[in-house]
Amino acid sequence: GAVVSQHPSRVICKSGTSVKIECRSLDFQATTMFWYRQFPKQSLMLMATSNEGSKATYEQGVEKDKFLINHASLTLSTLTVTSAHPEDSSFYICSAIRYTEAFFGQGTRLTVV
Amino acid sequence: QQQVKQSPQSLIVQKGGISIINCAYENTAFDYFPWYQQFPGKGPALLIAIRPDVSEKKEGRFTISFNKSAKQFSLHIMDSQPGDSATYFCAASMGDSSYKLIFGSGTRLLVRP
Repeated sequence: GAVVSQHPSRVICKSGTSVKIECRSLDFQATTMFWYRQFPKQSLMLMATSNEGSKATYEQGVEKDKFLINHASLTLSTLTVTSAHPEDSSFYICSAIRYTEAFFGQGTRLTVV
Repeated sequence: QQQVKQSPQSLIVQKGGISIINCAYENTAFDYFPWYQQFPGKGPALLIAIRPDVSEKKEGRFTISFNKSAKQFSLHIMDSQPGDSATYFCAASMGDSSYKLIFGSGTRLLVRP
């Protein structure tokens, strides 16, 4: 199957700092990637759709100035959590579309202290 | 508005038994219904998927049953094994170019030895 890699897998940062999470499609090109947030024992909540070469589309209630998404190439999308606060602590997961199927990264555990 | 409802929330099955997870959807425009398996601290992995032109799809021990008129689909895991213990998510998406997945709430499956 297709491989999607996220980096880092875990990150701890101080309140007020920014954190960048990378999502790469390793063996295919992806014009569309998605970013999800998952709280413990809960489902995946779609945050935004990342489109290569254009602005991301954010879901209702997601602050676009806080969660910056850049999809600069066909194999890389980045999510930057700006001015992070403890309530931003969560599991962030990306997915990339190959043909009509979604393949997920392994996730990034963000802890803001 | 929750567009995909999943039940049960948790499920305990003896080794060798059948695990059954159910999902119901509201939007008749959905035309792709995947199931994902997620282990703790990992991203979801595609298990099996179905489109509404068939009523059943089987891959190894995993079977999807689809009832278009009832707007329901289910996952059956035959001969359940302890290694199947994980959280399972159903999802649905529409056949436009977005491939945006709407996830169910998840089912935590525990298979006892």
